[in-house]
Amino acid sequence: AQSVTQLDSHVSVSEGTPVLLRCNYSSSYSPSLFWYVQHPNKGLQLLLKYTSAATLVKGINGFEAEFKKSETSFHLTKPSAHMSDAAEYFCVVSDRGSSNTGKLIFGQGTTLQVKP
Amino acid sequence: ETGVTQSPTHLIKTRGQQVTLRCSSQSGHNTVSWYQQALGQGPQFIFQYYREEENGRGNFPPRFSGLQFPNYSSELNVNALELDDSALYLCASSLVADSYNEQFFGPGTRLTVL
Repeated sequence: AQSVTQLDSHVSVSEGTPVLLRCNYSSSYSPSLFWYVQHPNKGLQLLLKYTSAATLVKGINGFEAEFKKSETSFHLTKPSAHMSDAAEYFCVVSDRGSSNTGKLIFGQGTTLQVKP
Repeated sequence: ETGVTQSPTHLIKTRGQQVTLRCSSQSGHNTVSWYQQALGQGPQFIFQYYREEENGRGNFPPRFSGLQFPNYSSELNVNALELDDSALYLCASSLVADSYNEQFFGPGTRLTVL
């Protein structure tokens, strides 16, 4: 069975400083991993995805994530936080079991606060 | 190209009632998945429809049911509403039903059960 664990429920950074949101995954298969962002009262937006190509994945708005199989991690980073980055972030693994529906399994979410 | 749309935006029902939520998939997408997001939680997979057939189901009781129409739009029906059904219901569409394709989410329907 696949699962994801987001290690921090809340992260607070100052504007202009680096962002690190941590995620560990568990999967019996070679996983597809995603990071989604959810702004208040808005739908989920895909930031980036890993599907067994390059281990360093670049996404939108300056975010990137590195797939580390040995550590079963997929941490999200950004060199410099903007106020507009304040939102809820979800680490997600996609089902690759026998059904292969591609159903998404979400972590509990990390709230990113950006202080001026 | 139109994105995923959902209706209604908000809904208030009382315990025991039935509700139908609607989703229009993105143009060209034949797969629709439904998720329930309780307050402060990550979304949980309810079920998926692929070419009008159910193609996988999460850990939800049978009172949660769905349909997909020939134009690939979809409905989520919930019978005998319970207080714990209060949540944001998200619909997502994708090109095909597999783990490689991005799922595009709608804005959701906020259901409140009193």
